[in-house]
Amino acid sequence: SYVLTQPPSVSVAPGKTARITCGGNNIGSKSVHWYQQKPGQAPVLVIYYDSDRPSGIPERFSGSNSGNTATLTISRVEAGDEADYYCQVWDSSSDHNWVFGGGTKLTVL
Amino acid sequence: EVQLVESGGGLVQPGGSLRLSCAASGFTFSSYWMHWVRQAPGKGLVWVSRINSDGSSTSYADSVKGRFTISRDNAKNTLYLQMNSLRAEDTAVYYCARALIAARPFDYWGQGTLVTVSS
Repeated sequence: SYVLTQPPSVSVAPGKTARITCGGNNIGSKSVHWYQQKPGQAPVLVIYYDSDRPSGIPERFSGSNSGNTATLTISRVEAGDEADYYCQVWDSSSDHNWVFGGGTKLTVL
Repeated sequence: EVQLVESGGGLVQPGGSLRLSCAASGFTFSSYWMHWVRQAPGKGLVWVSRINSDGSSTSYADSVKGRFTISRDNAKNTLYLQMNSLRAEDTAVYYCARALIAARPFDYWGQGTLVTVSS
């Protein structure tokens, strides 16, 4: 089955740029979605189809996807961005393959 | 306003059964695929099961296949997950989430319901 690999943690100072990667075999050929989850809360979609933002998500959140790596970029990081972030793809080669990465804990220093 | 509200979680012994419900409102429920995603304590998100918009097609993660059954009642705007032969490793918060079709993202999630399997 398809595997997505994320770094367990990323740390960034307020006002700086955070980049969270999601690795997968030829992930550039798939559509990647990103979710933010704060403690005790349900996940929230922040980026879909690699780089689109749902309404209500700040422009500071952006995404890219190429080759074997997709990236979620958060510009001008704020304390409120501290959360777990998960990438997700649908592997069309299988009927039961909605796959999540292991998640990345973003810490704002 | 889109709302998904799970219920039915609780403490159950190994080998026992539980049925989760997810009540939907604020959108045309019968137009959406629905999913169950779970999260063990301190762990990441794991997809569990999905059902298409009219309930004619379902699929399951290998870890629950043969033990869990997903269903829906479009007249009642409700999604279900029947969980049988529960194991300790099924302990998790269970979320329902909607998606327009297979490749679409999970754009709304419920708040989750905790299932604890323990003797």
